[in-house]
Amino acid sequence: LAKTTQPISMDSYEGQEVNITCSHNNIATNDYITWYQQFPSQGPRFIIQGYKTKVTNEVASLFIPADRKSSTLSLPRVSLSDTAVYYCLVALNYGGATNKLIFGTGTLLAVQP
Amino acid sequence: EAGVAQSPRYKIIEKRQSVAFWCNPISGHATLYWYQQILGQGPKLLIQFQNNGVVDDSQLPKDRFSAERLKGVDSTLKIQPAKLEDSAVYLCASSFGGVGGETQYFGPGTRLLVL
Repeated sequence: LAKTTQPISMDSYEGQEVNITCSHNNIATNDYITWYQQFPSQGPRFIIQGYKTKVTNEVASLFIPADRKSSTLSLPRVSLSDTAVYYCLVALNYGGATNKLIFGTGTLLAVQP
Repeated sequence: EAGVAQSPRYKIIEKRQSVAFWCNPISGHATLYWYQQILGQGPKLLIQFQNNGVVDDSQLPKDRFSAERLKGVDSTLKIQPAKLEDSAVYLCASSFGGVGGETQYFGPGTRLLVL
């Protein structure tokens, strides 16, 4: 069954760079890969989105290899306020013309002082 | 710009009762999504509307869950009758177009507890 998988948790210290990877083996051909951040009792919040290669914005970078079967979210110089759960969201192809929007399993990032 | 609004924020019901959630998407957004997020898991898509038509409802338990978006703006999600395993946060999101994994904007969610 096609799915997306992420590490359950990661620990880091303030000022470090953090890389979180999502594996998505049946990704649909034409859809984007999107990453969201979620704090307790809030809805997910958009971080970054890409299709292939590398995308960078003011808060993160996203690395996508040519086969698009994985993606890596890179957070430069994390701070305590980056402690949250991070999800990838992709459209997976289950065969035929139907694509399914699937969130990853989520990675809890804990940033320590 | 106002965000996605949801109500109520919290709801406690007993099993076999019915419950309804309401969502008002960002103005001008054609696509609306309802997700179920069980504690410790990622959101699971229940239903996706584009305007007032259903794009995907393959993971909606249709024997007890229903959703509508009559005028292509607000939406309601109903559970009847509720089961214990329906305890979760119900998230509503909207996007401008909805094609190709467009950015979704989420509301704060409705936390449902079924006793």
